[in-house]
Amino acid sequence: DTGVSQDPRHKITKRGQNVTFRCDPISEHNRLYWYRQTLGQGPEFLTYFQNEAQLEKSRLLSDRFSAERPKGSFSTLEIQRTEQGDSAMYLCASSRPDREESSGNTIYFGEGSWLTVV
Amino acid sequence: AQSVSQHNHHVILSEAASLELGCNYSYGGTVNLFWYVQYPGQHLQLLLKYFSGDPLVKGIKGFEAEFIKSKFSFNLRKPSVQWSDTAEYFCAVNARRIGGFKTIFGAGTRLFVKA
Repeated sequence: DTGVSQDPRHKITKRGQNVTFRCDPISEHNRLYWYRQTLGQGPEFLTYFQNEAQLEKSRLLSDRFSAERPKGSFSTLEIQRTEQGDSAMYLCASSRPDREESSGNTIYFGEGSWLTVV
Repeated sequence: AQSVSQHNHHVILSEAASLELGCNYSYGGTVNLFWYVQYPGQHLQLLLKYFSGDPLVKGIKGFEAEFIKSKFSFNLRKPSVQWSDTAEYFCAVNARRIGGFKTIFGAGTRLFVKA
């Protein structure tokens, strides 16, 4: 069973540079989520997709952040003009279609991508 | 808006002690409730979940949680903790509503079990 995979696992970048993270969800999952987690906090919701449609975005997702899921499979999260405050773990998760009631829309996480902005 | 509150940020227990971690949520509708665990150096993993039926749910590794609707609570319990339970525990809620399936997490509780 292949889980959610994220790439890269770690990224160190200089302030002002752009970074992109990739997420490959579990193959039969049509929903994909991005979260951000900082030390001492729980995951904070950023955005989610159902297939290729981006259905909800948090106000945490400033104009410098953009997420895509062009073919309804993998997703990318790009951060432009990075700032030190963007340093965090970026988590991707996926879930099954709702018609499978037994899943209760349980989300499954990848290992995350650590971003350090220096 | 949904929110999740975890009462304890840090808990230290000795092995064999009983554990109860508090979790309250705010949302008036029907919810799915979860506990996730993050062991040191590992990713978030599902510990247990409630979405309907018996409000007392059992998860992996001897954990259980009870949904008390009147108290908007979903506390996590384990009768006897082990050193290997040292981890961070997150309560989460997902509200069943049209157009929204985001899962909201609490700030987490760090559990340290002394051998």
